[in-house]
Amino acid sequence: DAGVIQSPRHEVTEMGQEVTLRCKPISGHNSLFWYRQTMMRGLELLIYFNNNVPIDDSGMPEDRFSAKMPNASFSTLKIQPSEPRDSAVYFCASRIRGQTGADTQYFGPGTRLTVL
Amino acid sequence: GNSVTQMEGPVTLSEEAFLTINCTYTATGYPSLFWYVQYPGEGLQLLLKATKADDKGSNKGFEATYRKETTSFHLEKGSVQVSDSAVYFCALSESGRGSTLGRLYFGRGTQLTVWP
Repeated sequence: DAGVIQSPRHEVTEMGQEVTLRCKPISGHNSLFWYRQTMMRGLELLIYFNNNVPIDDSGMPEDRFSAKMPNASFSTLKIQPSEPRDSAVYFCASRIRGQTGADTQYFGPGTRLTVL
Repeated sequence: GNSVTQMEGPVTLSEEAFLTINCTYTATGYPSLFWYVQYPGEGLQLLLKATKADDKGSNKGFEATYRKETTSFHLEKGSVQVSDSAVYFCALSESGRGSTLGRLYFGRGTQLTVWP
């Protein structure tokens, strides 16, 4: 079975440019999460969706960040304009949202973003 | 609120040594508890979990017991291998009802290096 798919795996861009990260969750999963991982701040939840609807975006750093989930099989995280402090590894994860909160999240391989 | 505190790394051990990584949590309800592992260059993957007090999660020789009285979920392995070198994350998810059900709260991660 294909796991969570993220693209690109690596992105190098210059400050001020727009960056779009993409995620395809596991088929049948109805919750999707975007995380950012840095040495300084560890793993941070940016936003998550249930049934394609954003539930909590309080982790989105600022208005330069936006995320969409137009359908159950695709999500994007956009940074516009990008800044060097956005350099990080961005992970997408998905799960089947059940009734107990004990459901496993499945992570993609991540996108390593470098903003010069 | 919900939070997870795990021991600072890095942890360096020789092969076949005993491993303990401490994890304590603060939660508003009765959370599920998880250990995720991240191998170099990869996303996180579930190692084990426990959903209620006194449950023991186990996988690949690793174990952790959900201790409600001490709000802890320490990870242990009796004999580590070089292939166990990775970053280990303790996490909790909320239980009960509500739209935030299943959101994960992660610790900062503990880097484990095992030498032959």
